[in-house]
Amino acid sequence: AQSVSQHNHHVILSEAASLELGCNYSYGGTVNLFWYVQYPGQHLQLLLKYFSGDPLVKGIKGFEAEFIKSKFSFNLRKPSVQWSDTAEYFCAVNVGDYKLSFGAGTTVTVRA
Amino acid sequence: SQTIHQWPATLVQPVGSPLSLECTVEGTSNPNLYWYRQAAGRGLQLLFYSVGIGQISSEVPQNLSASRPQDRQFILSSKKLLLSDSGFYLCAWSAQGLSNQPQHFGDGTRLSIL
Repeated sequence: AQSVSQHNHHVILSEAASLELGCNYSYGGTVNLFWYVQYPGQHLQLLLKYFSGDPLVKGIKGFEAEFIKSKFSFNLRKPSVQWSDTAEYFCAVNVGDYKLSFGAGTTVTVRA
Repeated sequence: SQTIHQWPATLVQPVGSPLSLECTVEGTSNPNLYWYRQAAGRGLQLLFYSVGIGQISSEVPQNLSASRPQDRQFILSSKKLLLSDSGFYLCAWSAQGLSNQPQHFGDGTRLSIL
């Protein structure tokens, strides 16, 4: 079965700093990739997704992610974070069977 | 627009008691439905999924079961709860068709077993 690794458990940064969250997966075939976000007290929401085409995908709220097939990675980035980006972020992988495998999540705390 | 409802939001149950968590989806037909358990620091673990009425696939052996009595209703159950069943349970749906459809999550149920 495929696995998903998120390297950072907790990231703390100041407003306007740049953010990059790492995500690696273990599966050699075609994958569909997702980043979900869970703001405090809210449900999980889709941030962005990659199915095919341009490996640099843009999502909501200024986030983007780059699929690097050779590195089995799908890292999430934001050039300048805001206090409202404080949340837990989950990377997820689908290999064409309706199921999602999630990483353990990264808690991001943005200090004002 | 599509919405997903989960209830109750929180539940405190004694060991050995039964469980029934309900999830319903509105605004779509024949969705794929999912039950997850979310543990702190461990992400989401898929427990069950369903691609149609009466069709349930179990991902992990456990003390829980799932049923789909109607197209947009998904129920998570147990006959006798264990302490280890405590956790945060999430229901989700995705559109039928391509397997790469994103999943949409409910607000979750916090289950505490005493």
